Order: sequence, then C-alpha cells, then structure tokens
Amino acid sequence: AQTVTQSQPEMSVQEAETVTLSCTYDTSESDYYLFWYKQPPSRQMILVIRQEAYKQQNATENRFSVNFQKAAKSFSLKISDSQLGDAAMYFCAYRGRISNFGNEKLTFGTGTRLTIIP
Amino acid sequence: DSGVTQTPKHLITATGQRVTLRCSPRSGDLSVYWYQQSLDQGLQFLIQYYNGEERAKGNILERFSAQQFPDLHSELNLSSLELGDSALYFCASSVVRDWSSPLHFGNGTRLTVT
Repeated sequence: AQTVTQSQPEMSVQEAETVTLSCTYDTSESDYYLFWYKQPPSRQMILVIRQEAYKQQNATENRFSVNFQKAAKSFSLKISDSQLGDAAMYFCAYRGRISNFGNEKLTFGTGTRLTIIP
Repeated sequence: DSGVTQTPKHLITATGQRVTLRCSPRSGDLSVYWYQQSLDQGLQFLIQYYNGEERAKGNILERFSAQQFPDLHSELNLSSLELGDSALYFCASSVVRDWSSPLHFGNGTRLTVT
C-alpha cells in the first residue's frame, strides 16, 4: 500500500518570506499523480497544485511551486512571498495509476500546520 | 465553491444513535468518495462509489455503510455511534476517467457524539 509522510507537523514563516513544506511517499508504481491541498481554518479542502510523475518539469501555480524528486520519492511545496492568507494545514496526497481498478482515491499525509508571522 | 454539497453542516447526537450524512457531487462527476478527519488528523479514506457501485473500500468500520443512488447523490450511514466517531466527514467527487482530475471536496459535516 502507498504511504505519504509529512514529517513536519508545524512550520512557521515570516510574512513575505519563503517556506518549504516536505512530503515523501512510498510506492512501487511508476505512474502516479501528486497533489497539495490546503485546509484553512474554515476546514475547506482546497487544491493548491498537482504534479504528474512522468513530467520532469516542476509544477508552478503563482506563488506556489513544487520540487519533485522522483528517485527520492520526494514532493515538497515551496510558498514564496508568504501571505497571512496562506496560514492553513497543508496536506500532500498521492494517487496511483488510475487504470488500476479502484485506484482513483487520494492517499493523504498527516499534514503540516503553517503559521504566518506578521 | 467546489460544487460538492454536503448536508447537514453540523450534527450532534448521542452514543448508540444512528445518523445519515448526505452528499451531492459536482455536476458530471460519477464518483463519490467519503473521508473521515478526526481532530487535527489527516484524512482517512472510507469508501468510494462510482456510478452507483462500490469501487474501493478503505478503513471503514462495519458500523458504517454507504450507498450511491441513481441520481448520483450518496449517503453515509453511521450507526451505534461511539464518542470516537466524532469527526469531520468529507465527501468528494471526481471525474474518474481523467486521472489528473483532483478530488473536489464538500465543506464537510461536523459530527459530534456526546
């Protein structure tokens, strides 16, 4: 079974600075998708960014970018120019090869709580 | 707005009782997923339905059951409730044939068992 590990339960960053959240995963599959979700105090689950495993180029969405290291099974999230609204729980998630029946679900890590210091 | 609707938003009930949580997926999404998030924990996958059929099963207790109806809405039934069942229950939906498609989450149902 695939597992997703987020080893940083809590992180903090000064407003306008850059922070990197770590995520590692364990899989024997070669094709998969990785996601980062944000959960603010409202408890909504909001997609931040996604990365396809066979794409070498790291995904970027405005101030959010990933560092995907397939060999190391690492998928970190970098937030640049941190803003107060970025304060939330961040979850890393894995989806295996979707051609496998019943494989469409996401497996989540335990999350990293990010605090923004004004 | 994700387009996924969950009702009710909050539910308070006593131990031993039974409750039903309801979810309407985004228009066009055939697959519904249920997740449980206990206090300050990650999301635990419970079960997935696709076009009315059970597709995948996770760590779902025998006291819990779910179904997806012909109009694609889904219900999660929780019975013989225990204090430890208090959690945020999320429903999500997706376009199954597109594996790049993320899960779109509802706002969750907060269940409190007293």
